[in-house]
Amino acid sequence: DTGVSQNPRHKITKRGQNVTFRCDPISEHNRLYWYRQTLGQGPEFLTYFQNEAQLEKSRLLSDRFSAERPKGSFSTLEIQRTEQGDSAMYLCASSSQGQMNTEAFFGQGTRLTVV
Amino acid sequence: GIQVEQSPPDLILQEGANSTLRCNFSDSVNNLQWFHQNPWGQLINLFYIPSGTKQNGRLSATTVATERYSLLYISSSQTTDSGVYFCAVVRGYSSASKIIFGSGTRLSIRP
Repeated sequence: DTGVSQNPRHKITKRGQNVTFRCDPISEHNRLYWYRQTLGQGPEFLTYFQNEAQLEKSRLLSDRFSAERPKGSFSTLEIQRTEQGDSAMYLCASSSQGQMNTEAFFGQGTRLTVV
Repeated sequence: GIQVEQSPPDLILQEGANSTLRCNFSDSVNNLQWFHQNPWGQLINLFYIPSGTKQNGRLSATTVATERYSLLYISSSQTTDSGVYFCAVVRGYSSASKIIFGSGTRLSIRP
């Protein structure tokens, strides 16, 4: 296993189009997180899964955003009717649950540009 | 929710200098990690350190959980150390435990 994988690495889309990103976590990890990062800021939490259950969603995640993790493995993040303000780096992370939370690892990110 | 503050926000040093980056958090945490974000945006794991001290080459970190802070030390800095360093914490053991990031320290190492 080479770590957390995100696809695509870059996406340029026109305003109003829908986009979907994919995240493949480290295989034995049951927790998966999505974050958004804009220039000069730290990553902001979007949503979090444990196995296939979406346990928490940020208020940043408007109705145009939806995330799924149908079989508790890979996850998708879809943005509908994209706006220029959606331009950002979208980061995915995974970790495993034990008696304590364990170390999280991040993918390389998907950089979205809405024109 | 828990607040994570990093200082300084920016740091400019000459190659070979030592530096200390600080992370303060407003409540007790169960996990704390330090990351280095490379120029391509990927977050590279440096330390997983909810408490105690760890060292990895020129880098070391100390977390004093009872006093709610962590320090990242970089010795004999190199230009490749440049980038943004983030501290991130996890608040609780519960199943809903998101990772909260500080705003980062931007480190620039001049040759």
